Amino acid sequence: AQSVTQLGSHVSVSEGALVLLRCNYSSSVPPYLFWYVQYPNQGLQLLLKYTSAATLVKGINGFEAEFKKSETSFHLTKPSAHMSDAAEYFCAVSEDPGTASKLTFGTGTRLQVTL
Amino acid sequence: DTEVTQTPKHLVMGMTNKKSLKCEQHMGHRAMYWYKQKAKKPPELMFVYSYEKLSINESVPSRFSPECPNSSLLNLHLHALQPEDSALYLCASSQPHRGTKTTGELFFGEGSRLTVL
Repeated sequence: AQSVTQLGSHVSVSEGALVLLRCNYSSSVPPYLFWYVQYPNQGLQLLLKYTSAATLVKGINGFEAEFKKSETSFHLTKPSAHMSDAAEYFCAVSEDPGTASKLTFGTGTRLQVTL
Repeated sequence: DTEVTQTPKHLVMGMTNKKSLKCEQHMGHRAMYWYKQKAKKPPELMFVYSYEKLSINESVPSRFSPECPNSSLLNLHLHALQPEDSALYLCASSQPHRGTKTTGELFFGEGSRLTVL
């Protein structure tokens, strides 16, 4: 069965500092991996996705993630945090989606950005 | 702006009421989903419709009844709910192109926040 583990339920960084949110996956087949962001009282917005085309994936709002098979990781990074990045971030995994995608979400990491 | 529209945004209902949540997408997607999200928790899958047919039911209680009238619409009918059913209900869709295999990402609506008194 597929799963993802997000290390750290809460991460706090200063504005302008590096953002690193950790995600490790478990999957018996090559996975499809995703990072979603959720702002308060809103739905989930896709930040980026890995579907085996390239190991370094660039997403929206300056975020990127690197797929490392040897470490079974898909960590999310951003070189310089902005106040507007404060939100909940979810890593998710899907095995071969077929005609519908059953995503399994991690428990989430709340990013706090301080002045 | 999201291309998955959910109504209503907020709903308060009593335990004896019957209400419905609605979801609409016009992206040509052929898979649609209902998720339930409690505060400070990740979304939990409830139902999946693929080509207007129910393909996944994650052992959801029968007081939740999904319906997919056509490829653009998804409803969730609610009856005799319990206070613990209070949550954010998220609709999502996937499959960017008609007739092709999905690339896996889901497109979410803003959600309907349900409070059961």
